[in-house]
Amino acid sequence: ETGVTQSPTHLIKTRGQQVTLRCSSQSGHNTVSWYQQALGQGPQFIFQYYREEENGRGNFPPRFSGLQFPNYSSELNVNALELDDSALYLCASSSGLAGAYNEQFFGPGTRLTVL
Amino acid sequence: EDQVTQSPEALRLQEGESSSLNCSYTVSGLRGLFWYRQDPGKGPEFLFTLYSAGEEKEKERLKATLTKKESFLHITAPKPEDSATYLCAVRRGPGANNLFFGTGTRLTVIP
Repeated sequence: ETGVTQSPTHLIKTRGQQVTLRCSSQSGHNTVSWYQQALGQGPQFIFQYYREEENGRGNFPPRFSGLQFPNYSSELNVNALELDDSALYLCASSSGLAGAYNEQFFGPGTRLTVL
Repeated sequence: EDQVTQSPEALRLQEGESSSLNCSYTVSGLRGLFWYRQDPGKGPEFLFTLYSAGEEKEKERLKATLTKKESFLHITAPKPEDSATYLCAVRRGPGANNLFFGTGTRLTVIP
């Protein structure tokens, strides 16, 4: 069974640029959630995708957007990068109907640094 | 307002010295409390889910318990490889699909 994978591992961008992060969900999982984790903090929910539709969003501005593909993999796009966007971005996958109380399994994360 | 508070922020233990980590929560309609372990620079690793007060789960040297206001992660005879940050998260309901995390407890086990 393949776990959650994310790419790239690390990324350095400058303020104002755009970035795309990618996530492949665990085999058999149809729901993907994205989280932002600043240094020394717990992960914060960005949004969730279920069957290619956004299914819940946290307190993040519209410049954070996403996609889910038919194979359940997902992308997180961030436009007009700001210094505060520097963080570890985590993808988590889960199975079952959206809203079901299933465990979320996390990938290794993408470390984004904005200069 | 929903809150998840973990204590202590950091804990240093001697190898073999048992202790407990605390997660206090205030949430509307708890739909699960989750414990994760996170090593530096890596993604959280799932440990346990607890759904109702009185529930307990165990895995190796770890035991998680749940009351109506808090959860404890008990670590028995820890080893250096148990050193990590332990995160507590709640799923709020109804209709909420995301996890709401505390800031974690950073555990260091000294040989």
